[in-house]
Amino acid sequence: DGGITQSPKYLFRKEGQNVTLSCEQNLNHDAMYWYRQDPGQGLRLIYYSQIVNDFQKGDIAEGYSVSREKKESFPLTVTSAQKNPTAFYLCASSIGQGGTEAFFGQGTRLTVV
Amino acid sequence: AQSVTQLDSQVPVFEEAPVELRCNYSSSVSVYLFWYVQYPNQGLQLLLKYLSGSTLVKGINGFEAEFNKSQTSFHLRKPSVHISDTAEYFCAAVSGGYNKLIFGAGTRLAVHP
Repeated sequence: DGGITQSPKYLFRKEGQNVTLSCEQNLNHDAMYWYRQDPGQGLRLIYYSQIVNDFQKGDIAEGYSVSREKKESFPLTVTSAQKNPTAFYLCASSIGQGGTEAFFGQGTRLTVV
Repeated sequence: AQSVTQLDSQVPVFEEAPVELRCNYSSSVSVYLFWYVQYPNQGLQLLLKYLSGSTLVKGINGFEAEFNKSQTSFHLRKPSVHISDTAEYFCAAVSGGYNKLIFGAGTRLAVHP
């Protein structure tokens, strides 16, 4: 079955440690996205990529980094520079042309203690 | 700035009653509009989308939405809700040529018996 896989579903890390969230898709989509979700704030765009080896900052990129070395994969690293990393993180992909919907993974809940 | 505004953060309703969830978008946003539903600790699932053509769009689970260009609105409706419709609903719009999705803050629909 085609889809987007995020792993792990739950992740715990100590403050000051970097952590990488995985996102893989087998939909042959060109575009991929990372969103952060906090209660009452909807989804905020962290980074997006329209094509392999290219990505753009979203609205809240500070403290995060990404790579897009393969079409299928778009990992997100939450660095120690991110002041408040505890959140629900959602990865999405789309064909990449204007007007097409995004397909979402099941999310990763990151808790930093 | 481009934006999507969901006018109600929470909507309580009794089972089998009609419901309307309101969404307005800024006129600078490209007129590709979407409604997504999110169940607890899950990703987002597309309910319906407006790309062009008929302003009344029908989606899954009995939901429909009407695109109103003059009022820059895209309200979601269902004539009779079920307990299983309890979830968070997000309105979204495509921005510019990068297929960048902008989300509203979400509306939590609570259906009571």
